[in-house]
Amino acid sequence: QKEVEQDPGPLSVPEGAIVSLNCTYSNSAFQYFMWYRQYSRKGPELLMYTYSSGNKEDGRFTAQVDKSSKYISLFIRDSQPSDSATYLCASLHTGNQFYFGTGTSLTVIP
Amino acid sequence: DAGITQSPRHKVTETGTPVTLRCHQTENHRYMYWYRQDPGHGLRLIHYSYGVKDTDKGEVSDGYSVSRSKTEDFLLTLESATSSQTSVYFCAIKDNYEQYFGPGTRLTVT
Repeated sequence: QKEVEQDPGPLSVPEGAIVSLNCTYSNSAFQYFMWYRQYSRKGPELLMYTYSSGNKEDGRFTAQVDKSSKYISLFIRDSQPSDSATYLCASLHTGNQFYFGTGTSLTVIP
Repeated sequence: DAGITQSPRHKVTETGTPVTLRCHQTENHRYMYWYRQDPGHGLRLIHYSYGVKDTDKGEVSDGYSVSRSKTEDFLLTLESATSSQTSVYFCAIKDNYEQYFGPGTRLTVT
């Protein structure tokens, strides 16, 4: 079992929709959780980082962590065509190795 | 972009030849990482470094070696390239609990 599991999609939504991206993780020692956005043929770009459980909001993006169910979510409000990319979740415990999901491909249709 | 550059950005090489990829950072980060990214597998850790001359293996280290003689440079060497090493290679640094990536090197082994 991978440390972090992510539905690869692809996911296709109309412009303006609310997008929900999800991951699960297996190691209860994970404390830090990240979401990355990766455009085609580019490196992953850090979108948001949260510590432990709870929500964090940044503009149209909200990251949510539920440690009781080991569930990580990213919500995108008012989705735009420029949000079309692959989204990767990642986790880190107190060590120095990051564990990544395989990524979900998102297309926002104008 | 955390001041990370990778060279070369693209390389085509033949099976059995040695290949070295370079990662350079300008912000004096202690931790540096090499990943490969393949469809269906996501990002997989090859090796990482926690200081000059201090390195450790990741999930997919077979066939790869690394060196770090200066804080700013982390080299990844394929001693004898194989077609299974055709991939996109990303270098990354760790800054507190966040990870930042370079632009990637697209390597094709024919």
